[in-house]
Amino acid sequence: DAKTTQPPSMDCAEGRAANLPCNHSTISGNEYVYWYRQIHSQGPQYIIHGLKNNETNEMASLIITEDRKSSTLILPHATLRDTAVYYCIVRPEWGTGANNLFFGTGTRLTVIP
Amino acid sequence: GAVVSQHPSRVICKSGTSVKIECRSLDFQATTMFWYRQFPKQSLMLMATSNEGSKATYEQGVEKDKFLINHASLTLSTLTVTSAHPEDSSFYICSAELAGGRETQYFGPGTRLLVL
Repeated sequence: DAKTTQPPSMDCAEGRAANLPCNHSTISGNEYVYWYRQIHSQGPQYIIHGLKNNETNEMASLIITEDRKSSTLILPHATLRDTAVYYCIVRPEWGTGANNLFFGTGTRLTVIP
Repeated sequence: GAVVSQHPSRVICKSGTSVKIECRSLDFQATTMFWYRQFPKQSLMLMATSNEGSKATYEQGVEKDKFLINHASLTLSTLTVTSAHPEDSSFYICSAELAGGRETQYFGPGTRLLVL
């Protein structure tokens, strides 16, 4: 069921922007891109999601390419507390299919002091 | 934001005993809750989907008689691991979908189960 590809790990200096890429070349027209993160020994935390337009909230920005085959999650000023595994998930619009989320292997982001 | 709690946060039990894990949506009603399992250094794997007032839907390979799920109200779902064995030791995480909501699942903090 893996519909996304992410690098297994990344490092980022504290205070700098963290840019996490995700490839989803087989994404369908009605599928959204969701990002969650999981800090060690905690439940996943919702970050952001989008369909085709770029999105921004208080946590992050989501940049989706025009062909929608890839996206980038941007944490503008990474802190040590942003160290976590970040999951990029593609799923249909809510209510149009299975509502469960398929978690791949994600990217382990380490923010370095 | 929507808050989901789980109880207990961690539990140690003897092999052969049963353990119940509660998942509650604290400030919203959830028509659907999901139960996931996560083994060390692995990703989350969906075990079952729980709908209020109806039987849960289990994923392939998950024994419904071993992992009993009850979703009796719009704010509470329980997972009971029956006759637990050491291989059931894992991190169990629930999530809840906002009733009438369309976008987001909210996750609980997880329950770490250790079966001796």
